[in-house]
Amino acid sequence: KQEVTQIPAALSVPEGENLVLNCSFTDSAIYNLQWFRQDPGKGLTSLLLIQSSQREQTSGRLNASLDKSSGRSTLYIAASQPGDSATYLCAGHTGRRALTFGSGTRLQVQP
Amino acid sequence: GAGVSQSPSNKVTEKGKDVELRCDPISGHTALYWYRQSLGQGLEFLIYFQGNSAPDKSGLPSDRFSAERTGGSVSTLTIQRTQQEDSAVYLCASSIAGGRENIQYFGAGTRLSVL
Repeated sequence: KQEVTQIPAALSVPEGENLVLNCSFTDSAIYNLQWFRQDPGKGLTSLLLIQSSQREQTSGRLNASLDKSSGRSTLYIAASQPGDSATYLCAGHTGRRALTFGSGTRLQVQP
Repeated sequence: GAGVSQSPSNKVTEKGKDVELRCDPISGHTALYWYRQSLGQGLEFLIYFQGNSAPDKSGLPSDRFSAERTGGSVSTLTIQRTQQEDSAVYLCASSIAGGRENIQYFGAGTRLSVL
C-alpha cells in the first residue's frame, strides 16, 4: 500500500527566502506525482504534475522534482511571498486511478 | 470556464440523519472522484467514476456511504444514519479522462458537521 509522507509538517520563513518542501513515498512504482496548494476553507489547486517518465516540472517560481529510485519528490519555491502562505500537499498515483495524499506542509511566509 | 462545483458548502446535521452531497464536475470531464478530508486522517479516497464503467468503491468506509453519477455528469454522495466520525470536508474532483496522467481538479468541498 502506498504511503506518502511530507516533511516538515509546518514551516515559517521570512519573505524572499527560497524554500524546499519534501515528499516521500513508499512504493517506487508510482505512476506520477502531483503537488497541490490548499488555502484555509478552500479546495485544492493543482500546481504541478510530474509524469513518471519526467524528472521535474517548472511553473513560474515553482519547481518540482521526482526521483522514483529514492522515493522522493521536492517542491522548490523561489523568492517566497506572503501570498504563498498555504498548505502544500503532494499526492501520487499508483495502481488505481485515485490519488494517495501526504498530510501536507503548512507554510507561512512572513512579510 | 466553470470549475468543479459542490453543494452545499456547509452542512450541519444531527446524528442518525441521512445527508446528500452534490458535485458538478467540469463540463466534458469523464472521470469523477470523491475524497474525504478529516482531522488526523488527511485526505482519503472514497469512490471513483469513469464514464459508464462500474465505479471503484474501494475507499468507502462503510455501507452507510454510497454514491451515484447520473448521466455521466452530476454525482451525489449519500451518507445514511450519519455518525459523529463522519464529520469532515468532502471533496470532489474531476479529470478529463480516467488516466493517471490527467490532472485532477478539485471543488471547494462540503464541510459536514454531525452533532
